[in-house]
Amino acid sequence: DADVTQTPRNRITKTGKRIMLECSQTKGHDRMYWYRQDPGLGLRLIYYSFDVKDINKGEISDGYSVSRQAQAKFSLSLESAIPNQTALYFCATSDPGRRGDEQFFGPGTRLTVL
Amino acid sequence: AQSVSQHNHHVILSEAASLELGCNYSYGGTVNLFWYVQYPGQHLQLLLKYFSGDPLVKGIKGFEAEFIKSKFSFNLRKPSVQWSDTAEYFCAVTQGNTGFQKLVFGTGTRLLVSP
Repeated sequence: DADVTQTPRNRITKTGKRIMLECSQTKGHDRMYWYRQDPGLGLRLIYYSFDVKDINKGEISDGYSVSRQAQAKFSLSLESAIPNQTALYFCATSDPGRRGDEQFFGPGTRLTVL
Repeated sequence: AQSVSQHNHHVILSEAASLELGCNYSYGGTVNLFWYVQYPGQHLQLLLKYFSGDPLVKGIKGFEAEFIKSKFSFNLRKPSVQWSDTAEYFCAVTQGNTGFQKLVFGTGTRLLVSP
């Protein structure tokens, strides 16, 4: 299922570097999300977007920024990466017309900050 | 704030054993409940969901879950697990049936099925 794609799939970077993770979707959904997954902590919401002009902070937005370039594209940036941002990052989409806002996830980007 | 608890962090079973993974949530109003599965190296996939109606929900791959409102629970079950069920399982909840509510995840249960 390639409806939600993420690039890169793996990335190793150094402390202080700026990096961007990209997400694209072909599901035609308006809503898009960025999560990070850490062992024992589950998934935590970083940012979410209802459409190109509507972007909202999640529970752990500090140190991150996002850009919604188009309905289908939602990028996550780490302005100055630090080691505790090492995690698995997931993009997700949802259709507001669906009850409960069921979310569909991308394959994830494994980021390591040295 | 809404919270989701998965008390079993790691579960080890032999093939053909029965499985029950616990999930409890904190919100007392209308909820939408989900179980997601993450196979090794893969993304999250929806196993099943409950919005309303029959509290016993059947999902893919022989999984089912039962919503018990009085216990704020949505436990996942499978009568006979297979080695291929080795994965991490996440319970998740949204509140209400109108407007936007964030999806809140539990911390996950890692299941290992030995052949």
